[in-house]
Amino acid sequence: KQEVTQIPAALSVPEGENLVLNCSFTDSAIYNLQWFRQDPGKGLTSLLLIQSSQREQTSGRLNASLDKSSGRSTLYIAASQPGDSATYLCAVRGGSNYKLTFGKGTLLTVNP
Amino acid sequence: GAVVSQHPSRVICKSGTSVKIECRSLDFQATTMFWYRQFPKQSLMLMATSNEGSKATYEQGVEKDKFLINHASLTLSTLTVTSAHPEDSSFYICSASNQGTNYGYTFGSGTRLTVV
Repeated sequence: KQEVTQIPAALSVPEGENLVLNCSFTDSAIYNLQWFRQDPGKGLTSLLLIQSSQREQTSGRLNASLDKSSGRSTLYIAASQPGDSATYLCAVRGGSNYKLTFGKGTLLTVNP
Repeated sequence: GAVVSQHPSRVICKSGTSVKIECRSLDFQATTMFWYRQFPKQSLMLMATSNEGSKATYEQGVEKDKFLINHASLTLSTLTVTSAHPEDSSFYICSASNQGTNYGYTFGSGTRLTVV
């Protein structure tokens, strides 16, 4: 059974700082990995999608890496802003089915 | 891009009544949709996989008679919480995946259900 772990559970940083969120998964036979953002009481917004054959994806100030063999992914946020404050969720899609397995998320607070 | 619309965003109902939540894929066809439940400060838990034209597949521990799923068209799946009780109060979110998004998942905006 796939298990996804996200570290840290919460992170508070001053504005402008670069930061890294970590995600690990136990079964490396994945189809893809997706990072999402969730604001309080809202749905999920997809940030980056990395296919199993890819090593990284970039979008603006965000960069996500994937090391499938070691079961790890990182989300790098450059020059953080207060508007980046949210919960960040990592989810992996199984190689043999359509199901997503989520981590518990990292609650990020960027202080002005 | 792929858009999933979910309604209502909030609903309050009395205990014992039923509530229907709709999930629509607006610009793509989704033969499969997924329903999740999220408790406060917890991550998402998959409840069921909704399959167009066939029965939904429920995860272990989810009562299929309690959470009725209908996927009658390629763009619409509905979740009906029957005989709702306060313990059913939660945040329900649907999602879908398609080739256009390289099989990444797009999520609806969620429905906050409160049973009083």
